[in-house]
Amino acid sequence: NSKVIQTPRYLVKGQGQKAKMRCIPEKGHPVVFWYQQNKNNEFKFLINFQNQEVLQQIDMTEKRFSAECPSNSPCSLEIQSSEAGDSALYLCASSLPRDSANTEVFFGKGTRLTVV
Amino acid sequence: AQKVTQTQTSISVMEKTTVTMDCVYETQDSSYFLFWYKQTASGEIVFLIRQDSYKKENATVGHYSLNFQKPKSSIGLIITATQIEDSAVYFCAMREYNNNNAPRFGAGTKLTVKP
Repeated sequence: NSKVIQTPRYLVKGQGQKAKMRCIPEKGHPVVFWYQQNKNNEFKFLINFQNQEVLQQIDMTEKRFSAECPSNSPCSLEIQSSEAGDSALYLCASSLPRDSANTEVFFGKGTRLTVV
Repeated sequence: AQKVTQTQTSISVMEKTTVTMDCVYETQDSSYFLFWYKQTASGEIVFLIRQDSYKKENATVGHYSLNFQKPKSSIGLIITATQIEDSAVYFCAMREYNNNNAPRFGAGTKLTVKP
């Protein structure tokens, strides 16, 4: 069973509203990833962190999306002004660093965002 | 640039048979990790099995095994003695060792196991 906790499971927002979702990574995992999965099951990488530091992020994340992983608090992903095209399953995943013995990422159950 | 390709959109098999799902990848990194996951109808994504690029022996976990053909950049997933509950969408993924790129996922293969 997944030990990555994502809340809320479902989120419904109007266009232009803020949408915020949270993620608690698996204990001991310093690396956190956010992906967006669309209706065609395609995974789109958004941003990743190691501890509190951003490792990589895509352009979309740099503009309307904001994310953080503060110490001793859940990680979060927020869309500042939701658009219909943002409707998707947002997946948080965590892992050990890429140079560790176990490199697989583990996913939370996702937050399904619907923008109406 | 890294790329993962799954060409099989969907597969249907009878229960208790063996199924193979294909995956090819592209990477410039000399060291990398390959994974298979399954996504159930509820949306939950479950890690199944991993192959490290430097290992020649194919990984096996339970009724999952891999067919790693490094010269062909191919990592097939083999499920033996399939069960109804194996019905899901299966994703292949790759993570490079020498950079911080996030794991890249294929488009998925939907497996239906019929009684």
